[in-house]
Amino acid sequence: EDQVTQSPEALRLQEGESSSLNCSYTVSGLRGLFWYRQDPGKGPEFLFTLYSAGEEKEKERLKATLTKKESFLHITAPKPEDSATYLCAVRTSYDKVIFGPGTSLSVIP
Amino acid sequence: DGGITQSPKYLFRKEGQNVTLSCEQNLNHDAMYWYRQDPGQGLRLIYYSQIVNDFQKGDIAEGYSVSREKKESFPLTVTSAQKNPTAFYLCASSIVPGGKTEAFFGQGTRLTVV
Repeated sequence: EDQVTQSPEALRLQEGESSSLNCSYTVSGLRGLFWYRQDPGKGPEFLFTLYSAGEEKEKERLKATLTKKESFLHITAPKPEDSATYLCAVRTSYDKVIFGPGTSLSVIP
Repeated sequence: DGGITQSPKYLFRKEGQNVTLSCEQNLNHDAMYWYRQDPGQGLRLIYYSQIVNDFQKGDIAEGYSVSREKKESFPLTVTSAQKNPTAFYLCASSIVPGGKTEAFFGQGTRLTVV
């Protein structure tokens, strides 16, 4: 069964304390992996798309990487405004998109 | 500004009542989607449409209905057959269907059964 999991479920960081969020997947053929940011009570906002193992994308304090079984979202020196829920989604070989449950990130000043 | 507009932001439904959630986009996207979001779960696909006058059931279509009479509009009706409708509903669109490109989301409608 195709599955996408994210860990940890929730993460609290001090401002400036770097860390990583994990997205693991078991799917029938990866065609792409998406990262989104979701603020409370809002719709998700697109961050990155990764297509193949070894690929990396960066945006400000965020860096997404991809291996054959998982993706990491690295957050360097986070600020309080980085607090949000981060969602990953996987596109399978039959063009189905499966979302993970998300990681809720809180950055404390 | 281009984007997706969902209305209302909050909606309350009585038992046995049908309610309709509005979704309008001015991005000129062919594909549109409805997702349901519950705490601790990933977004689950209710219905999607790849083109006007055509739509397909997603993973949890029971108790829901949609129409796609215009490219810009994809309303979702939550019928009385949906036994547990309290959730956050998200409408999305993409340039092409099938997850080939990223999705753009609206701001959501929170539906509560009273």
